[in-house]
Amino acid sequence: DVKVTQSSRYLVKRTGEKVFLECVQDMDHENMFWYRQDPGLGLRLIYFSYDVKMKEKGDIPEGYSVSREKKERFSLILESASTNQTSMYLCASRPPWGTYEQYFGPGTRLTVT
Amino acid sequence: GENVEQHPSTLSVQEGDSAVIKCTYSDSASNYFPWYKQELGKRPQLIIDIRSNVGEKKDQRIAVTLNKTAKHFSLHITETQPEDSAVYFCAASIIGTYKYIFGTGTRLKVLA
Repeated sequence: DVKVTQSSRYLVKRTGEKVFLECVQDMDHENMFWYRQDPGLGLRLIYFSYDVKMKEKGDIPEGYSVSREKKERFSLILESASTNQTSMYLCASRPPWGTYEQYFGPGTRLTVT
Repeated sequence: GENVEQHPSTLSVQEGDSAVIKCTYSDSASNYFPWYKQELGKRPQLIIDIRSNVGEKKDQRIAVTLNKTAKHFSLHITETQPEDSAVYFCAASIIGTYKYIFGTGTRLKVLA
């Protein structure tokens, strides 16, 4: 059974803080993704990574960066958090072959005050 | 840019009735269409998917239909039950690429 975990379920940060959201998957998947989920907007892709140290921008990368130093771990970084980054953040992973299913983590609800 | 429109945004049905959610995609190269279900407070999970080489796929009470010409695909749930209440997301993708384009979601409420 694929397991994708995220470091926190709820996080409260102040404007201007540097924020790290971490995601770990245990299935040796090469592809990993960060989405943000907002009511009425669905899931929007922030960044994805198709291998260690490889990353590509998604649809809304502004204000975010990512890090993938190990295959199982994909981190989302908010360099200077702002109130408009208050959202639910979902991580996902997917193997590069076979199924095209993305396996999601439980999400991190981030509030920036 | 690529876009997936999803309707309706909310849907209420009586238990036992059918529910239909519709999506339209813009990129004619899309050839993989998954549907995800997200229960309250839980992670999205794949419930059914379809590739562009078939027009319909069924799995017990759920089915997905695809009209490539019109660039439409739909989720059909028959004999709805309270546990079907959730937010449903459609998505479009191109096999071999990494990217999904998700619809905006439909909140389905099944009334007992």
